Amino acid sequence: SAVISQKPSRDICQRGTSLTIQCQVDSQVTMMFWYRQQPGQSLTLIATANQGSEATYESGFVIDKFPISRPNLTFSTLTVSNMSPEDSSIYLCSVRDRLNSPLHFGNGTRLTVT
Amino acid sequence: RKEVEQDPGPFNVPEGATVAFNCTYSNSASQSFFWYRQDCRKEPKLLMSVYSSGNEDGRFTAQLNRASQYISLLIRDSKLSDSATYLCVVRSGTTDSWGKLQFGAGTQVVVTP
Repeated sequence: SAVISQKPSRDICQRGTSLTIQCQVDSQVTMMFWYRQQPGQSLTLIATANQGSEATYESGFVIDKFPISRPNLTFSTLTVSNMSPEDSSIYLCSVRDRLNSPLHFGNGTRLTVT
Repeated sequence: RKEVEQDPGPFNVPEGATVAFNCTYSNSASQSFFWYRQDCRKEPKLLMSVYSSGNEDGRFTAQLNRASQYISLLIRDSKLSDSATYLCVVRSGTTDSWGKLQFGAGTQVVVTP
């Protein structure tokens, strides 16, 4: 399966600032996604990162708060904007490369907002 | 009702024993099923896909019951290293579409010496 590298692996940020998380895959993949996992919760899909066009956001998530880029088939970024303590979470990049294939995850970014 | 439901546990299992747990799903059109393992503060990792006829991977056995809409995971000869949260993932949609993945909240397994 693809090797997915995410950085930073963790960060502590102040309220009101923004953080950009990078996701690099070692091969071209069709589908890239960004998930959030809040403490003690399961995974929630934030958006599908579309190559060369605007991301597709799930209900409850908006582009102004979570802008996403995907300039090519191997790279994507997620920005968490104007952060508040409620944004403290693990953010996970994930990929799928075939219709029935499972999801593979990056190592995650552990964000704490103070 | 959640689309994918799991008993959160924890399931406390003596080392060497067998443990089994289920995951129920609400969408009868679900197409693909997976079990993931997530260690504390780590990303989920694919444990195994679940096939219609059931499948085995070493000490792990997965079963699918479409009539009752659940999948199961059985772990034999439990090891201390099996302690983790096991996530059930279900894909809905048609066979020729990407579909949508739904995650269960996970079942925690604690293997004790």
